[in-house]
Amino acid sequence: AQSVTQLGSHVSVSEGALVLLRCNYSSSVPPYLFWYVQYPNQGLQLLLKYTTGATLVKGINGFEAEFKKSETSFHLTKPSAHMSDAAEYFCAVSKYNFNKFYFGSGTKLNVKP
Amino acid sequence: GAGVSQSPRYKVAKRGQDVALRCDPISGHVSLFWYQQALGQGPEFLTYFQNEAQLDKSGLPSDRFFAERPEGSVSTLKIQRTQQEDSAVYLCASSLVVGSGEQETQYFGPGTRLLVL
Repeated sequence: AQSVTQLGSHVSVSEGALVLLRCNYSSSVPPYLFWYVQYPNQGLQLLLKYTTGATLVKGINGFEAEFKKSETSFHLTKPSAHMSDAAEYFCAVSKYNFNKFYFGSGTKLNVKP
Repeated sequence: GAGVSQSPRYKVAKRGQDVALRCDPISGHVSLFWYQQALGQGPEFLTYFQNEAQLDKSGLPSDRFFAERPEGSVSTLKIQRTQQEDSAVYLCASSLVVGSGEQETQYFGPGTRLLVL
């Protein structure tokens, strides 16, 4: 069975501060991992993904995430938050050819001026 | 190019009514997925099509839920005799190829927000 845990349903940071959104997964096989962002009344937009290869993955809008197998984690970071980063972020896990994603419950990011 | 589109964007139904939700995937995308997103939760998998074949419907919560994709393009999710617990956002996603050796990215539509009164 696969599951995804996102610690912290709400995270608040000041503009310019580091953003850290946590994601831990459980998987019986090596997973594929994704971060999506959801703005109000919009669909999910892919930020970045890890499938194979380099464990540090860079995505759009300055976000990056590192796959740490030993910690079963895939935390999302951004060095300097911008007001436009305020949204809800979802971590998802799949496995090769499994065809479905399992999502975490989401983290709402608030950016204070 | 055009992304995944869904209609209607909002739907209010009285308990017991049938509803039909439409998804237009990205042109040429082979795979299509439906997810249900309850308030404050992440999306949960409902069903998956590859072309017109429904390969996985393990996430459909009851036999009141039915999905089809008869020509391998547009898909419809139908909910019969709606109940209040069916209130949620229904998301559709499509991807180019599944099983190509790398999990393909799923591209999501804006969703249909269903409210059952």
